[in-house]
Amino acid sequence: DVKVTQSSRYLVKRTGEKVFLECVQDMDHENMFWYRQDPGLGLRLIYFSYDVKMKEKGDIPEGYSVSREKKERFSLILESASTNQTSMYLCASSYRPSTDTQYFGPGTRLTVL
Amino acid sequence: GESVGLHLPTLSVQEGDNSIINCAYSNSASDYFIWYKQESGKGPQFIIDIRSNMDKRQGQRVTVLLNKTVKHLSLQIAATQPGDSAVYFCAENIGGGSNYKLTFGKGTLLTVNP
Repeated sequence: DVKVTQSSRYLVKRTGEKVFLECVQDMDHENMFWYRQDPGLGLRLIYFSYDVKMKEKGDIPEGYSVSREKKERFSLILESASTNQTSMYLCASSYRPSTDTQYFGPGTRLTVL
Repeated sequence: GESVGLHLPTLSVQEGDNSIINCAYSNSASDYFIWYKQESGKGPQFIIDIRSNMDKRQGQRVTVLLNKTVKHLSLQIAATQPGDSAVYFCAENIGGGSNYKLTFGKGTLLTVNP
């Protein structure tokens, strides 16, 4: 079974803090994704990576950056957290590009005060 | 910003009944579709997928139907159980080349009454 893990289930941070969210997958998947999920807005893609050290912006990259130094790990960075970044953050991975299932982690509920 | 209603479409069924959850997709070029289940406080869980060269695919207690003519996807759950209560949403992928992205629907909340 595919396993995608996220470093924290719940995080509380203060405005202006730098926040790191970590994601690890154990299935040697090339592709990894970061989404945020908000009521009424569904899943929105922040960034994705199709290879080590490669990254592409998703639909809402502003205020975020990412790092993919190793194939199994994809980090999401909030350079200076703001209250409008309070959300559920979901990491996903997939094997093949294009038509392949994305497998999700359990999510990190981030609250920015 | 988006002003889509905060309230998801809901479907309420009795335990043991069959459930049908619908999804309209937007892009006629989409060639791969997935249904996910998301329980409260958890990440989405893969249920079943279907490619555009198929009209129907069956899994354990679940069936996905694809109607490309009207760009409609449905998920049928047989003998619905309380553990099926969750938000269900579909995802589509245009496919081809380097398109790695899925486009997700907003979801439907399924409530199973004992």
